[in-house]
Amino acid sequence: DQQVKQNSPSLSVQEGRISILNCDYTNSMFDYFLWYKKYPAEGPTFLISISSIKDKNEDGRFTVFLNKSAKHLSLHIVPSQPGDSAVYFCAARRGNGNKLVFGAGTILRVKS
Amino acid sequence: NAGVTQTPKFQVLKTGQSMTLQCAQDMNHNSMYWYRQDPGMGLRLIYYSASEGTTDKGEVPNGYNVSRLNKREFSLRLESAAPSQTSVYFCASGETQYFGPGTRLLVL
Repeated sequence: DQQVKQNSPSLSVQEGRISILNCDYTNSMFDYFLWYKKYPAEGPTFLISISSIKDKNEDGRFTVFLNKSAKHLSLHIVPSQPGDSAVYFCAARRGNGNKLVFGAGTILRVKS
Repeated sequence: NAGVTQTPKFQVLKTGQSMTLQCAQDMNHNSMYWYRQDPGMGLRLIYYSASEGTTDKGEVPNGYNVSRLNKREFSLRLESAAPSQTSVYFCASGETQYFGPGTRLLVL
């Protein structure tokens, strides 16, 4: 039973345009959400996070939106750059415990 | 400051062989984790250690054992490797989870 789902295996975007990566979750007890970026042959790196008490968090070109009623979050990258091409993982956790549940990932390709 | 380091980077095993994957962090984090990544499955938690001296099972612990040797080091052992354990293994530490570069394991 996948508690965190990333339904789009891949996304292709033109350089300079917006990339929107989506993530859905089923467990209403999740209260903290994170996005990670992964390049080939490297470990994932933390990108941005959001607490369930917020509906938006912004960091430079990256913005995460949380819709708790829909159990949905999205990562917006504006403007997209070729260096953003990577696999993006959504993750969620419940309470103060540090265990994360990851989605399957979305491959983003930014074309120049 | 190396962050999270993992050894080896790549390993080939025969079915039934054993091996230990090593992980060390220099960020003074209490918590450490072992994940495996398989195509289409994302990252799945094998074992974790919330603090030195404690370990707990994650989502897919069968076939693995762990040792939290001290605050810095957390090792993962495969006692009798199986082809189903062919995967990329990542160690992570800390609440935000800083990841190591991974170990690619192939079990023939």
